[in-house]
Amino acid sequence: AQSVSQHNHHVILSEAASLELGCNYSYGGTVNLFWYVQYPGQHLQLLLKYFSGDPLVKGIKGFEAEFIKSKFSFNLRKPSVQWSDTAEYFCAVNARAAGNKLTFGGGTRVLVKP
Amino acid sequence: GAVVSQHPSRVICKSGTSVKIECRSLDFQATTMFWYRQFPKKSLMLMATSNEGSKATYEQGVEKDKFLINHASLTLSTLTVTSAHPEDSSFYICSAREGARMNTEAFFGQGTRLTVV
Repeated sequence: AQSVSQHNHHVILSEAASLELGCNYSYGGTVNLFWYVQYPGQHLQLLLKYFSGDPLVKGIKGFEAEFIKSKFSFNLRKPSVQWSDTAEYFCAVNARAAGNKLTFGGGTRVLVKP
Repeated sequence: GAVVSQHPSRVICKSGTSVKIECRSLDFQATTMFWYRQFPKKSLMLMATSNEGSKATYEQGVEKDKFLINHASLTLSTLTVTSAHPEDSSFYICSAREGARMNTEAFFGQGTRLTVV
């Protein structure tokens, strides 16, 4: 079945460490890609999105993601995390092949230790 | 970004009763609304897609008679969980977008935690 995969379920790291969260999808054709963050007790917020153009996308709060079409990947990165980045991160794909519906990955729970 | 308001944020109901959850787009017209269900420590599972004025399209495995969706206006969609059972307890999230094109961003409500006792 076509899907969106996030490789890490849980990530624990210290402040100032670098973060990279993997996301792979299996849809062919045109895709739009998103990373959302869900802070404890809050609703989903958009971190960044890719529709077209430069495959390196910069988002809010110092996050960026790189779309590598040949690898069907859209990994999220942040060079130096803060305690406030503790949250759950979701990759999502809107694919024409999936009927233009937003499909989410399983999520990665990130804990940043102060 | 645009604001999507979901109400109530929490609800507890007895088995066998029905519960209605509202999803409103406050500052844009939501051509399309989506309803998701999120199990504990799991991702969001799409339940159904609704377009204003049309019947909702349900994902495979979702009972349309149990999860009634109404999208009667461009700013309001409702999800009614009918004859609720404890296994319906979950976190329900709506999202809304202004257009039907692929490159239109969807905005999310804050979610509704339903507990059926």
